[in-house]
Amino acid sequence: AQSVAQPEDQVNVAEGNPLTVKCTYSVSGNPYLFWYVQYPNRGLQFLLKYITGDNLVKGSYGFEAEFNKSQTSFHLKKPSALVSDSALYFCAVRAVDTGKLIFGQGTTLQVKP
Amino acid sequence: DAGITQSPRHKVTETGTPVTLRCHQTENHRYMYWYRQDPGHGLRLIHYSYGVKDTDKGEVSDGYSVSRSKTEDFLLTLESATSSQTSVYFCAIRKETAGELFFGEGSRLTVL
Repeated sequence: AQSVAQPEDQVNVAEGNPLTVKCTYSVSGNPYLFWYVQYPNRGLQFLLKYITGDNLVKGSYGFEAEFNKSQTSFHLKKPSALVSDSALYFCAVRAVDTGKLIFGQGTTLQVKP
Repeated sequence: DAGITQSPRHKVTETGTPVTLRCHQTENHRYMYWYRQDPGHGLRLIHYSYGVKDTDKGEVSDGYSVSRSKTEDFLLTLESATSSQTSVYFCAIRKETAGELFFGEGSRLTVL
């Protein structure tokens, strides 16, 4: 069965410090991986995706993610966090056979001044 | 802006009443999805559609039905709402040239 795990309910980081939000996945075949961000009372916004190619993917708002096939991980990173990055972040995997997108439980990122 | 409109945005109803949520898109994409979002569960797929009159179940489809009579509209119906269906419901579309989904702003449903 396909699944996505975000092991941390919340990540706290100081403004200006690097941030990492973790994601691991389980899927048969080659994964399509995604990160989304959700601000309060809003829909999800697409940040970045990995389909194939370079393991380091760059996305919106200075975010990037590193695909690691051996560790089945797709961690979201940013070199320098902003207070405005505080939000709920979702990792998702799309199964190649069904095309359905499966989401992790979400990680709340809190960036403090 | 992916041109997705959900209505109503907020609704309070009573147990046992029928409820229909509407998702409207302006770009004629083939794939449309309904998810529900609950704390601790992330987003869970209820139903999805891959064309007019073509729909399939997701992981939490019990108690829900959908219809798609036009490309632009995807309706989610709760035939007899229960308190466990209190949630935020999101519609999404998938653009054919990309793998990612684009989401509406959500419909918050409270069943008393």
